[in-house]
Amino acid sequence: EDQVTQSPEALRLQEGESSSLNCSYTVSGLRGLFWYRQDPGKGPEFLFTLYSAGEEKEKERLKATLTKKESFLHITAPKPEDSATYLCAVHGPDASNFGNEKLTFGTGTRLTIIP
Amino acid sequence: DAGVTQSPTHLIKTRGQQVTLRCSPKSGHDTVSWYQQALGQGPQFIFQYYEEEERQRGNFPDRFSGHQFPNYSSELNVNALLLGDSALYLCASTKAGGAPEQYFGPGTRLTVT
Repeated sequence: EDQVTQSPEALRLQEGESSSLNCSYTVSGLRGLFWYRQDPGKGPEFLFTLYSAGEEKEKERLKATLTKKESFLHITAPKPEDSATYLCAVHGPDASNFGNEKLTFGTGTRLTIIP
Repeated sequence: DAGVTQSPTHLIKTRGQQVTLRCSPKSGHDTVSWYQQALGQGPQFIFQYYEEEERQRGNFPDRFSGHQFPNYSSELNVNALLLGDSALYLCASTKAGGAPEQYFGPGTRLTVT
């Protein structure tokens, strides 16, 4: 069964203080790893898709990287508006040969940026 | 570009009652998935619909059922509500054979008392 573990559970940073969030995964045959941002009481907002080890994607102050066992979401010089919960999810083997099937999520990292 | 929409936004029900939640997928998408998110947890997959059929199901009891209409919109029905069904219910859409990322709606907050 696919498993996703995120750490830390919560992270408080000063504005401008860079850091990284971790997502460790266990899946036989990764077809995609996804990062989402979720604000309180709202639906997750798609950020990145990573497909293979060594791949990197960037968007503004965020950069996602992928290895064979984990992914990192690096946040550089964060601002208060970056405060949110960041969710990692994986797409496992195509069991039914259908295609875009379920995502397995971690429990998220709650990030707070202090002005 | 119309995103995923869900209704209602909030709902309060009593134990034992039944509830129906609705979702319209993002423009151009034909596949709808439903997730349950308890407070402080990540979303848990309930089931997925494509071509009006349930394609895959997570570890949820038969009290959870769904439907997809010809216009790709979908409903989630929950019977015999339990206190533990209180959660944020999320709908996500994607296009079969397209990019794998799923786009989520704002969710329906269900409270069972």
